[in-house]
Amino acid sequence: GNSVTQMEGPVTLSEEAFLTINCTYTATGYPSLFWYVQYPGEGLQLLLKATKADDKGSNKGFEATYRKETTSFHLEKGSVQVSDSAVYFCALSVGGKLTFGQGTILTVHP
Amino acid sequence: EAGVAQSPRYKIIEKRQSVAFWCNPISGHATLYWYQQILGQGPKLLIQFQNNGVVDDSQLPKDRFSAERLKGVDSTLKIQPAKLEDSAVYLCASSLEGWTGAEAFFGQGTRLTVV
Repeated sequence: GNSVTQMEGPVTLSEEAFLTINCTYTATGYPSLFWYVQYPGEGLQLLLKATKADDKGSNKGFEATYRKETTSFHLEKGSVQVSDSAVYFCALSVGGKLTFGQGTILTVHP
Repeated sequence: EAGVAQSPRYKIIEKRQSVAFWCNPISGHATLYWYQQILGQGPKLLIQFQNNGVVDDSQLPKDRFSAERLKGVDSTLKIQPAKLEDSAVYLCASSLEGWTGAEAFFGQGTRLTVV
């Protein structure tokens, strides 16, 4: 079956630090890969996506590259802000069916 | 553009009682999903509709959970009877089409507590 594994959390960083959240997946077929974010008190929303191998998704300074050879989709940001504090979910989709990782809580301190 | 609407936002019931959740997807979205999110875990798909037909309900506990999507628009998810382990946030999502690369838009969710 399909599955997504995210790095153990939570992650605590100082403002302007570099962020990496690891994500690896197992899938049958050819999945699309997503990062969703949940800010405090809000619903899940799409952060970025990539639909084929070697594609790079980017949004709000965040980036992730679809690596088929390592079955990975790691999320990175060069300089985090306090407003980036949220829960981040890696997910894959096959045929429109989303499978999520367990989520990583990010806290950014001033 | 209006988002995915869910109600109620919160519900507390006793075990063995029944409960129903309602979802109104984004207008024009053919695909509708119900997810269960237990505290500390990622969302788990319960059921996926394409218009008013079921695409995938393999993880829906059919002995107690049921869902319907009338006229391919609104949807309701019911639990009867509820168990303590059903305490979770129930998320509704919709997408324009149910293809691999489509973005799903999520509602705020309904937080269910079973006591």
